[in-house]
Amino acid sequence: DQQVKQNSPSLSVQEGRISILNCDYTNSMFDYFLWYKKYPAEGPTFLISISSIKDKNEDGRFTVFLNKSAKHLSLHIVPSQPGDSAVYFCAASEDNDMRFGAGTRLTVKP
Amino acid sequence: DGGITQSPKYLFRKEGQNVTLSCEQNLNHDAMYWYRQDPGQGLRLIYYSQIVNDFQKGDIAEGYSVSREKKESFPLTVTSAQKNPTAFYLCASRNQPLGGYTFGSGTRLTVV
Repeated sequence: DQQVKQNSPSLSVQEGRISILNCDYTNSMFDYFLWYKKYPAEGPTFLISISSIKDKNEDGRFTVFLNKSAKHLSLHIVPSQPGDSAVYFCAASEDNDMRFGAGTRLTVKP
Repeated sequence: DGGITQSPKYLFRKEGQNVTLSCEQNLNHDAMYWYRQDPGQGLRLIYYSQIVNDFQKGDIAEGYSVSREKKESFPLTVTSAQKNPTAFYLCASRNQPLGGYTFGSGTRLTVV
């Protein structure tokens, strides 16, 4: 039962362009959403989050959008940089239960 | 600096052996978690603990055991009953109730 889905296993963009990573969820009780970034052989690091009472949260080059009616979450990175190349996990939380998507591998080409 | 320390970084186990993965945090976080990551899959929850001396099974607890005798420590034992233990294991902690997770650097376990 995959409650959080990232349907694109990989994404490749040119440096300077926008990267858009998508995430869908099925549980309407999720009230907090997060994006994590992960490099190989390391633990994920927190990137940005959004509460269900908001529809947008911005932090520098990173913006997370939440569409509750569509149960859809997206992460925008602009401008993309080669150092952004990593696996990005979407996560959704309800109380003490956090579910992760399978991840999207982002490659930013110079 | 506060953080989570997982050790060892790489671990090899013979079939039929139990192994214990260490996780220590000095963040004073109440809750601690163990996740497993396999290629092409998200992080799957093995066990979690919200307070000392208490823990609950996650989605894939079979073949694993944990203890939480101290707030700072949450070791995970991979038993011989775990049929496919080769994976990357991540420990995490967070402050209740809505704090973000802090992850350790992971332990890669390989069964040889």
